[in-house]
Amino acid sequence: DVKVTQSSRYLVKRTGEKVFLECVQDMDHENMFWYRQDPGLGLRLIYFSYDVKMKEKGDIPEGYSVSREKKERFSLILESASTNQTSMYLCASRPFWRQDEKLFFGSGTQLSVL
Amino acid sequence: SQQGEEDPQALSIQEGENATMNCSYKTSINNLQWYRQNSGRGLVHLILIRSNEREKHSGRLRVTLDTSKKSSSLLITASRAADTASYFCATDRGEAAGNKLTFGGGTRVLVKP
Repeated sequence: DVKVTQSSRYLVKRTGEKVFLECVQDMDHENMFWYRQDPGLGLRLIYFSYDVKMKEKGDIPEGYSVSREKKERFSLILESASTNQTSMYLCASRPFWRQDEKLFFGSGTQLSVL
Repeated sequence: SQQGEEDPQALSIQEGENATMNCSYKTSINNLQWYRQNSGRGLVHLILIRSNEREKHSGRLRVTLDTSKKSSSLLITASRAADTASYFCATDRGEAAGNKLTFGGGTRVLVKP
């Protein structure tokens, strides 16, 4: 079975801390995505990556950065966590070279910033 | 801004009834996809319909797409308690939009036994 694994299910951090959210996929997918999900707002795209060392801003990149040093791993970084970054974070991946491809999601990381 | 908007935001039905939810979007698309999310978990892909298709079936799911109205509907027939979840539509505008999917706010479905 294909798998997207997010390193933490729940995470509690303090304001101002640097936070790393890790995502690993075992499907050799080129595209990887980070979304955040908030009640009533659905999923909003933070950053995505076409391939290793490539990254593109999504709709809400402010306050976040990403790293893709290896194809299977896509990290989301909160340089200085703030309370308004309390949210559910979802990682997803899909192949690049075929059209009409679905996304495979991880189980999500519920981040609370106190 | 959100490309897809689901309607209704929430739906409560009895087991055995049908559940219908709608999705509207703003710009042309390559395909539209529906996902399901159980409480507090990741999303799971349900069905994909291409822009040149009008209707698609998968088990108890039926999806329609009307590109002239920029809308889609998801019908779950003979619902079960296990269908309780949130359902999201997502639009794919292909390479022109960076091959990324844009999601709506979702419809929360409660199926009462």
